[in-house]
Amino acid sequence: DVKVTQSSRYLVKRTGEKVFLECVQDMDHENMFWYRQDPGLGLRLIYFSYDVKMKEKGDIPEGYSVSREKKERFSLILESASTNQTSMYLCASSFGGRQQETQYFGPGTRLLVL
Amino acid sequence: AQSVTQLGSHVSVSEGALVLLRCNYSSSVPPYLFWYVQYPNQGLQLLLKYTSAATLVKGINGFEAEFKKSETSFHLTKPSAHMSDAAEYFCAVRASGGSYIPTFGRGTSLIVHP
Repeated sequence: DVKVTQSSRYLVKRTGEKVFLECVQDMDHENMFWYRQDPGLGLRLIYFSYDVKMKEKGDIPEGYSVSREKKERFSLILESASTNQTSMYLCASSFGGRQQETQYFGPGTRLLVL
Repeated sequence: AQSVTQLGSHVSVSEGALVLLRCNYSSSVPPYLFWYVQYPNQGLQLLLKYTSAATLVKGINGFEAEFKKSETSFHLTKPSAHMSDAAEYFCAVRASGGSYIPTFGRGTSLIVHP
């Protein structure tokens, strides 16, 4: 079974803190994604990576950065957390090369910024 | 450009009744279409996908969806709802020949009454 794991299920941080969200997949997938999920807004793409050290901005990259030093790991960084970044964060991965490939999602990290 | 519209943010049915969740897409090229389900406090998992083979696609847990090009629709159905079907459902589209990044609808919450 494909497995995508995220470092924390729940996280509470204070405004201004630097926050690291880690995602690891075990299926040698080329593509990895970070989304945030908010009620009524669905999934919004923050960043996408199609290879090690490669990244592309998604729809809402402001206030976020990412790192992909190894193929299996994709990190999301909130440089200075703000209350409007309180959300559910979902990581996903997929094989590269074909658009019909399924995305596999992690269980999500629910982040609360106080 | 591609987009997805899910009609109805909430759908309520009785146990044993027909489930119909609507999805309309916009794509300038033939699309790949996906339905994902998210159970409470979990990530998304694939229910089914259309990849230009059969227009009627069968998925897990008794769900199916029919691709109708003339109506640009990919509605999800299940003949008889079960309490365990209560979840959030997301439709997604990815244009063939385009990027690997799918576009998600805003989601439909399925409520099942006993």
